[in-house]
Amino acid sequence: EDQVTQSPEALRLQEGESSSLNCSYTVSGLRGLFWYRQDPGKGPEFLFTLYSAGEEKEKERLKATLTKKESFLHITAPKPEDSATYLCAVQASPRYGGATNKLIFGTGTLLAVQP
Amino acid sequence: NAGVTQTPKFQVLKTGQSMTLQCAQDMNHEYMSWYRQDPGMGLRLIHYSVGAGITDQGEVPNGYNVSRSTTEDFPLRLLSAAPSQTSVYFCASRQGGGYTFGSGTRLTVV
Repeated sequence: EDQVTQSPEALRLQEGESSSLNCSYTVSGLRGLFWYRQDPGKGPEFLFTLYSAGEEKEKERLKATLTKKESFLHITAPKPEDSATYLCAVQASPRYGGATNKLIFGTGTLLAVQP
Repeated sequence: NAGVTQTPKFQVLKTGQSMTLQCAQDMNHEYMSWYRQDPGMGLRLIHYSVGAGITDQGEVPNGYNVSRSTTEDFPLRLLSAAPSQTSVYFCASRQGGGYTFGSGTRLTVV
């Protein structure tokens, strides 16, 4: 069964304290791994898509990396405005045909950055 | 561009009532989908559409209907609301690249 697990569930950092969020996945065939940011009361906001092991992408203080079994979202010198829930999702190859656009989401990591 | 627009933002229903959650996108995306988000659970796919006139079931389709008569609109219908359908509902669209989500509809069924 295709599955996505994120850890930790919650993370509290001091401003400037770098850390990483983990997303491990088990899928039949990875078509893409997505990272989203979700603020309270809002919809997920797209951050990155990674397609193959070894790929990395960066945006401001965020860097996403991908291996064959997991992805990391590295946060360098975070600021309070980085506080949000970070969601990981995978797009898997269909087992028996059908659309390939379906996403399987993890439950997210709630990040709090204190000044 | 407005992106993905969902209405209403909040709704309270009584058990057994029906309603339609609206979703519209102005990006000419072929793929559209509906998710529900519940505490402690990841977003779960309800229904999706790969283009006008084509819809299919996702992971949790029971109690919901969809139709796709135009590229822009993808409404989600609750046939007979149940307390288990209390959730936050998100509509999303995609045309290559990442998915664009709406701001959600918070539905409470009492």
